Formats: sequence, C-alpha cells, structure tokens
Amino acid sequence: KAGVTQTPRYLIKTRGQQVTLSCSPISGHRSVSWYQQTPGQGLQFLFEYFSETQRNKGNFPGRFSGRQFSNSRSEMNVSTLELGDSALYLCASSFTGATEAFFGQGTRLTVV
Amino acid sequence: GIQVEQSPPDLILQEGANSTLRCNFSDSVNNLQWFHQNPWGQLINLFYIPSGTKQNGRLSATTVATERYSLLYISSSQTTDSGVYFCAVEQEGAGNMLTFGGGTRLMVKP
Repeated sequence: KAGVTQTPRYLIKTRGQQVTLSCSPISGHRSVSWYQQTPGQGLQFLFEYFSETQRNKGNFPGRFSGRQFSNSRSEMNVSTLELGDSALYLCASSFTGATEAFFGQGTRLTVV
Repeated sequence: GIQVEQSPPDLILQEGANSTLRCNFSDSVNNLQWFHQNPWGQLINLFYIPSGTKQNGRLSATTVATERYSLLYISSSQTTDSGVYFCAVEQEGAGNMLTFGGGTRLMVKP
C-alpha cells in the first residue's frame, strides 16, 4: 500500500510570497497532521485535520493555515513568508487519533 | 504541555557495539513512538509502543508508562544505524498531536 506522499519535495521562495504544500495520506487514513522541523526548535506540531475539520492547532501564527479535502488529502499554506519559515515540513497520517502515525518524506522549504 | 527529554543527545559507537537510548516524559501518554530520521529527512517508524516491550531484529524497545520512560536498544550496531532517533508521545487528552524529544544523534563508525 502506498505511503504518505508530500509534494513538492523542495521549494525555494522569496520573502513575502506565499506557498502551498500538499500531503496525500495512506489510503483509509482520515487524520493528517503537519509538523515543522528546524535546527533551532526541533520538530513542532502545526495542526491536525480529521474528516475535513481542524481538530488541533499548535502555537504558530495565523500565517500558517491548512485544509483537508473529502478524500483526506491535505494542504498547508504559509502566507507572507519570512526567512524563519525555512524548514522541513513533515506530514503524518494515521487512521484516527491515538494510533500509529506514518510520515511522508517532507517538503524542504527555503525562503530567501 | 508535556515535556519529552531524550538522552544522550549524541552517541558515537564502534560497529558491533550495543547501545541504549532513553526517552523521559513528564505526563501520562496515549501513544509513544520511536522514529529514525534518514539522511533525506523522512521519519521511519521503528516502534509504536505506548507500553510493554517489542522487538524487531536488532532493535527492541520498552516503555514503562507508570514511570514515564521508554528505552530503545540497538544491538550489534551497523553503520547504517547512524542518524537521529526521535521519541514522540501523544499526551492524554491532547488529541492527535505528537510531542517530540530533541533526538539522539547516533554515529556508528566502521
């Protein structure tokens, strides 16, 4: 069965631009979570979607948003990019909450 | 929120040696997972182990939920075991949100 797919794998954007990242979960999984990994802050939770509803949100500014579609695919959007948004963004899927999470390969975003 | 601490932060081993990585957490958890992050950044699942002991080849893990810690054992280490190992927990009542430890960076020398 196919794993979690994230696109694109690499992205370079300019300060002030916006970006959209995509995540396709494992077939049958309804929960999709997003995480940001930076050398300084480690791995931090952004938000979680389940059945098209945001269930949980981490401590990030409103520039970070997301959504989930009826097929469980999720997108994450960052508006007005800042240099500090440069990071590896990881998506995880799980069947429901409190079950094993599986991660995609990540999208490496560089803001210049 | 819950605190997750991993030790040691860095570990250098000679190929063939054994090692134990530790994960301490500050509150009750529904879920605990161990991951290995490969050089390309992907988190590879090692164990889903909210409690008890599991083994998979040269790797095994034990979680003692009542004492709030988990251990990852690597036996007969190989150079391909190098990388960063993360422990992640889902706090009870916190929804489907994993809190990660800072990781243990392992280097296995030939």
